[in-house]
Amino acid sequence: GAGVSQSPSNKVTEKGKDVELRCDPISGHTALYWYRQSLGQGLEFLIYFQGNSAPDKSGLPSDRFSAERTGGSVSTLTIQRTQQEDSAVYLCASSFSADSTGELFFGEGSRLTVL
Amino acid sequence: TQLLEQSPQFLSIQEGENLTVYCNSSSVFSSLQWYRQEPGEGPVLLVTVVTGGEVKKLKRLTFQFGDARKDSSLHITAAQTGDTGLYLCAGYFYNQGGKLIFGQGTELSVKP
Repeated sequence: GAGVSQSPSNKVTEKGKDVELRCDPISGHTALYWYRQSLGQGLEFLIYFQGNSAPDKSGLPSDRFSAERTGGSVSTLTIQRTQQEDSAVYLCASSFSADSTGELFFGEGSRLTVL
Repeated sequence: TQLLEQSPQFLSIQEGENLTVYCNSSSVFSSLQWYRQEPGEGPVLLVTVVTGGEVKKLKRLTFQFGDARKDSSLHITAAQTGDTGLYLCAGYFYNQGGKLIFGQGTELSVKP
């Protein structure tokens, strides 16, 4: 497709379960970003990739969160042993490159609900 | 840690009124962007400002970047109901590479 694709669009899980969220960036975009957004709030930075490397993973809230990117394309955000406070919309974005003026193109997000 | 302060957090106005949203930081931006987000969708870029003192216009929207590159404003003239949405400022900072930090957002509601 032409845009950033995220799956699943909605995920309901029980506390303590692991979840994987997937992001397919725009073809040719070398930079990929993950953010978390609570209802009506701003975006909380989690991690970004340049190629397959993650220069900055400082936003990951705890060691239960991890992300990887393979082949310079698809990325997976994994949350282990989910907690209720993990409930949020997880947004992925891609950019042509991770420079200081790049426009981010966002997917529609994955809404995670932890019961 | 660079932080962006955005104000006001909520704004409810009547159609035809003017409004201004502010974004500032204690650190110098290498560049600053404004995004707009509608419910159920990801944010979409409105503008990027790079040069201190820069002013950009997009129809009824005017964006200013402070001379010291620590603040920015978004001014909407004669707001329309279609302007309703979440407005987000986001900044790149020196020595932070490609990390883009977002403000808390301004939820704008324009009533007919």
